[in-house]
This record gives sequence, structure tokens and C-alpha cells, in this order.
Amino acid sequence: GAVVSQHPSWVICKSGTSVKIECRSLDFQATTMFWYRQFPKQSLMLMATSNEGSKATYEQGVEKDKFLINHASLTLSTLTVTSAHPEDSSFYICSARRQISGNTIYFGEGSWLTVV
Amino acid sequence: AQSVTQLDSQVPVFEEAPVELRCNYSSSVSVYLFWYVQYPNQGLQLLLKYLSGSTLVKGINGFEAEFNKSQTSFHLRKPSVHISDTAEYFCAVIPHSGNTPLVFGKGTRLSVIA
Repeated sequence: GAVVSQHPSWVICKSGTSVKIECRSLDFQATTMFWYRQFPKQSLMLMATSNEGSKATYEQGVEKDKFLINHASLTLSTLTVTSAHPEDSSFYICSARRQISGNTIYFGEGSWLTVV
Repeated sequence: AQSVTQLDSQVPVFEEAPVELRCNYSSSVSVYLFWYVQYPNQGLQLLLKYLSGSTLVKGINGFEAEFNKSQTSFHLRKPSVHISDTAEYFCAVIPHSGNTPLVFGKGTRLSVIA
């Protein structure tokens, strides 16, 4: 079964509204989670590193005020797209590294965001 | 820092033919290597990974990859492809230590033609 769960899988929202995406590690503690974005026909680009109990680290070019990341517990990180616009429509996916059992990287199922 | 280069953005191949998807990486530290597949409108699925040991790694769906440290390559191969293998394939690396994210290549679109 899923080790990292992401919700919702699909979301459609109106322009100007905010959308929250959750990423949960189901059976391990993840002090760090990573958020990626993928535009159609492109690769996954790292947006930010989510750190439990502290501020997220954003990649260059990613607006921290637009993409709010909260990592309030060892098993949950949330990404909130604020004041969404059609150009924010994308595939968002989170991941966490489980350093026990072979340094396995787990990905959430991904969230398809469409802003209309 | 690490970087991954997937030399071919698109690879068309006839059904039942062999295929190789190329991946080269750059890193100043030792890395683990991964291949992921993404089918249309779906998330990522791990095909195989190289952590240590034998440099020839076998994965799911008949794919295999060979780690070549001297050439810093991790090419993905399949001896006979099926229509269902049509998808986007991503090579990725991560350092052995530290809690850093996967670095992805730009992807290779494999199109299998009947």
C-alpha cells in the first residue's frame, strides 16, 4: 500500500481561490518532505523542501508567498496555492526519503490542479 | 550539486524491438540512481534503482539498467518493447547521505509503434 499519501488527487478551483494539498507519510516519520511541480510534457521541478517545525526552503524562482508550505508534524506537510491563477495549473507531487530500509524515496500519488 | 542528462527527449521504436534510454549524471559525491516511469495522466512509478552491488539492475516490466561509474551513466534497456511501454521515463539521482531531494532528468518520451 501507499507509504506516502497525497490528497486530493484532482482538484479544480476558480481563479483567485486557494487550494490546499496534503502529503502524509503513513508509516514513518519524515522530518523533510519535498514538493515538486510538473508542467505538461516537462520534467519534475523541485519547488521547495519542507522542514518539520521550521520554515520551508524554496527553490529559486518559486514564490514563497504564493506557495505556502507547512510541515506541522512529522507525518504531514501541506502545500497551499494561494490566489490561484490558470498558470498555476499543474501536477504537484510530494516525496519523502526513508533512510532506513535502503534509502527508499517514496512519492505521493500526485495532485492535478486545474485553475479555471 | 547533482545534475542528470537524458540525451534523448523522444525515442520512437517499433513493437518487439529493443530499446535503450540514455542517462548520464554529474556529481561530486556518490549517488544512488533511479529510473521512474510516468504513464499519461498518472504519477510516478519506480522501475528500478541502483544502491550498491551488482551494476546490472533488473526492474519491473522487463526493464534493466547498468550503472557505469567511469562513464557516469545509467542507461535503461528493454530487449523487446510493448505498446503498453509507451510513457515518459525519468532518470534521477540522490546523494548517498543527507536528506536532499531527487534530482530528475528532463525525461525521455518512449513511443512504441505497432
